[in-house]
Amino acid sequence: QARLVQSGAELKKPGASVTISCKASGYTFSSYYMHWVRQAPGQGLEWMGMINPNGGSTNYAQKFQGRVTMTRDSPTSTVMMVLSSLTSADTAVYYCTKENNWKGRRGFDPWGQGTLVTVSS
Amino acid sequence: EVEMTQSPATLSVSPGERATLSCRASQSVSSDLAWYQQKPGQAPRLLIYGASTRATGIPDRFTGSGSGTDFTLTISSLQSEDFAVYYCQQYNNGLYSFGQGTKLEIK
Repeated sequence: QARLVQSGAELKKPGASVTISCKASGYTFSSYYMHWVRQAPGQGLEWMGMINPNGGSTNYAQKFQGRVTMTRDSPTSTVMMVLSSLTSADTAVYYCTKENNWKGRRGFDPWGQGTLVTVSS
Repeated sequence: EVEMTQSPATLSVSPGERATLSCRASQSVSSDLAWYQQKPGQAPRLLIYGASTRATGIPDRFTGSGSGTDFTLTISSLQSEDFAVYYCQQYNNGLYSFGQGTKLEIK
């Protein structure tokens, strides 16, 4: 059974960077894209981007281009997301989630438990 | 970028009744549409993918329909555990986006 476990909560100052990790287990890591989605307090879900663990290619939402970097470490089945130049608007819960693709029909499942990032001076 | 618009923002329905949630895409996404349920303090849960296929373990009272730009999630005979926020999500040309969500509350 697929499972995603994320790193713990972070408190950062404005202008800093944050790194969040997501360790996968229970499936073939290289076979499924991994996505990052965030949710600001009381707000909806926002797609940030994705990484193909097989080769490491990425695709980022335009809003985060130049500020986000997604990488993977295949030996440990872990993906990482770095978000730089943080502002208070980046305060949110960040989720990693695995993309399932059933003959072209896509869905995100499962999801990590979420990592709260708080940006405050 | 494809924009997703969900309506209504809040839906008040009594237990046992039917709920109909709508999602509209700014351009055709064919059937590349998923629905998620989120309860307070929890990660989202996949309900429907490919516009109409229920995910593993999802009760058959959840039904997804539509294609192109207009999609619907119908929940027949609402149970207490169904009151939550629901999001639609699309895939198009390597990019993904979510609707703003519909909060389904007890009437």
